[in-house]
Amino acid sequence: AQSVTQLDSQVPVFEEAPVELRCNYSSSVSVYLFWYVQYPNQGLQLLLKYLSGSTLVESINGFEAEFNKSQTSFHLRKPSVHISDTAEYFCAVSEMDSSYKLIFGSGTRLLVRP
Amino acid sequence: GAGVSQTPSNKVTEKGKYVELRCDPISGHTALYWYRQSLGQGPEFLIYFQGTGAADDSGLPNDRFFAVRPEGSVSTLKIQRTERGDSAVYLCASSLIWGDEQYFGPGTRLTVT
Repeated sequence: AQSVTQLDSQVPVFEEAPVELRCNYSSSVSVYLFWYVQYPNQGLQLLLKYLSGSTLVESINGFEAEFNKSQTSFHLRKPSVHISDTAEYFCAVSEMDSSYKLIFGSGTRLLVRP
Repeated sequence: GAGVSQTPSNKVTEKGKYVELRCDPISGHTALYWYRQSLGQGPEFLIYFQGTGAADDSGLPNDRFFAVRPEGSVSTLKIQRTERGDSAVYLCASSLIWGDEQYFGPGTRLTVT
């Protein structure tokens, strides 16, 4: 069965510092990988996704994630965070033959301090 | 355009009561999904509709939970004989077609007292 592990429940960081949110997954088949973000009092929004091709994917607001098959990881990084990046971040996977079913990690709260 | 909407935004009910949670997907989206998010956890898949039919209901926890989508648009999640453990945020999502990007609604926070 698939599972997603986000070991860090909360990551505090100062504004303009770099950040990495860790995500590891377990699956016996090929997967698609996603990062979702939930801003305070808002619904989940897709931040970026890996389906195939280049293992490095980027979002429009400066986040990037790299699919590492050997380490079964899909860590999210940003070189310089803003106060507005404060949110809950969820990593998710889906199997290629049942891609409608997202399996989520427990989330990481990114807290950006001035 | 309008996103996925869910009503009510909050629902408080007593143990043993019946509740209905409504989801209005984005217009034209054929696929609809329900998830449940317990406190401190990520969303957990419940059921997936393709059109009017439930294509996968493997995530429904037991037979007290049931969902319908009679006209292929609005969906209702129904919970009978509610228990305190059912307290959670129930999320609905929709996508244009099977496997496409899922757009989530704001959720319904259900509290069973």
